[in-house]
Amino acid sequence: AQSVSQHNHHVILSEAASLELGCNYSYGGTVNLFWYVQYPGQHLQLLLKYFSGDPLVKGIKGFEAEFIKSKFSFNLRKPSVQWSDTAEYFCAVNAITGNQFYFGTGTSLTVIP
Amino acid sequence: GAGVSQSPRYKVAKRGQDVALRCDPISGHVSLFWYQQALGQGPEFLTYFQNEAQLDKSGLPSDRFFAERPEGSVSTLKIQRTQQEDSAVYLCASSLSPGLYTGELFFGEGSRLTVL
Repeated sequence: AQSVSQHNHHVILSEAASLELGCNYSYGGTVNLFWYVQYPGQHLQLLLKYFSGDPLVKGIKGFEAEFIKSKFSFNLRKPSVQWSDTAEYFCAVNAITGNQFYFGTGTSLTVIP
Repeated sequence: GAGVSQSPRYKVAKRGQDVALRCDPISGHVSLFWYQQALGQGPEFLTYFQNEAQLDKSGLPSDRFFAERPEGSVSTLKIQRTQQEDSAVYLCASSLSPGLYTGELFFGEGSRLTVL
């Protein structure tokens, strides 16, 4: 079965610190990869996505992620976090042959002003 | 509407009661998904519709869970004889893409079910 692993459950950073959240998936076929964000009290929103092409994808609010196929990874990065980035971050995988999105358990990010 | 709408936002049920949760997807979206999100966990797949056809219900945890989308737009998730372990946020998501290869999912705000 497919699975998505997010290594960091809780991350606390000071403003301006750099961020990297890990995501690994277990599926050997072609996949689409996503990062979703859930701000406090709000619904899940797409942060960025990878379907094909350049493995370094840029999303909203200065976030980016790099797809490394050989490592089955899709880590999320941001050079300098802001207090407003405090949220829950979910990595998700959609196999090209499947109907399902598989989500990781999420990483809670708290940014201290 | 502009986004995916779910109702009720909050539901408290006594154990054994039946509940119905409604999802109004983005107009024109072919695919509709239901997810269950327990506290501290990521969303877990429940079921998937393409228009009115329920193509995958492998994630429904028991036969007490039932979902329908009779006209290919609004969907209802019904839970019969609720149990405490059913307490969770139930998320609905829709996607414009049909078929096996889905695109971006647009989520509603969820229905938080608490079973006492």
